[in-house]
Amino acid sequence: GENVEQHPSTLSVQEGDSAVIKCTYSDSASNYFPWYKQELGKRPQLIIDIRSNVGEKKDQRIAVTLNKTAKHFSLHITETQPEDSAVYFCAASPLGGSNYKLTFGKGTLLTVNP
Amino acid sequence: DTGVSQNPRHKITKRGQNVTFRCDPISEHNRLYWYRQTLGQGPEFLTYFQNEAQLEKSRLLSDRFSAERPKGSFSTLEIQRTEQGDSAMYLCASSLAGQDRVTYNYGYTFGSGTRLTVV
Repeated sequence: GENVEQHPSTLSVQEGDSAVIKCTYSDSASNYFPWYKQELGKRPQLIIDIRSNVGEKKDQRIAVTLNKTAKHFSLHITETQPEDSAVYFCAASPLGGSNYKLTFGKGTLLTVNP
Repeated sequence: DTGVSQNPRHKITKRGQNVTFRCDPISEHNRLYWYRQTLGQGPEFLTYFQNEAQLEKSRLLSDRFSAERPKGSFSTLEIQRTEQGDSAMYLCASSLAGQDRVTYNYGYTFGSGTRLTVV
């Protein structure tokens, strides 16, 4: 089955700096890669996703890049703000057929210091 | 309410007791998922349904666990003879699977979870 590795496990940045979180996956059939943000005690919320027919996607201060050949994808947050502090999870899924199951990484605790 | 609703939010039970959790997905979503999350870990897949059919179960789902979605709407997750290792956050999510590959959102919408503590 799919295995998703996520690095780093913790990341501390100063407000205004950029943050990058990286994930690798093992199943070449995976073609959908979402990122979730989970604040303490709250539900994971989808912040951005990318499909394998696209190399990069951007939404305001957040961007995701995908390298299918190398089987890795990354989340980039620019101009970080204290409210960006949370745990971020990457995930992968082989869409299509009957399998829409997401396999998650272990998460990255991002702390943005004012 | 257009979100995914889970009840109860918290459950404390004694080891050996049975517990049941409920999930009400977004009404138009035909897929429903159960995940388990322990401290410091990402959500781990347990099982999922398309409409009322349970299509896949993880090996994490021992025979003490059973899930149902009898009418293709809400779902229940039951744990029999609870063990301390069952203590975790149980998350439900729903999504819409359809034929429109251009515009529909593949992303899950998660509920707030049920936090189970087995003492």
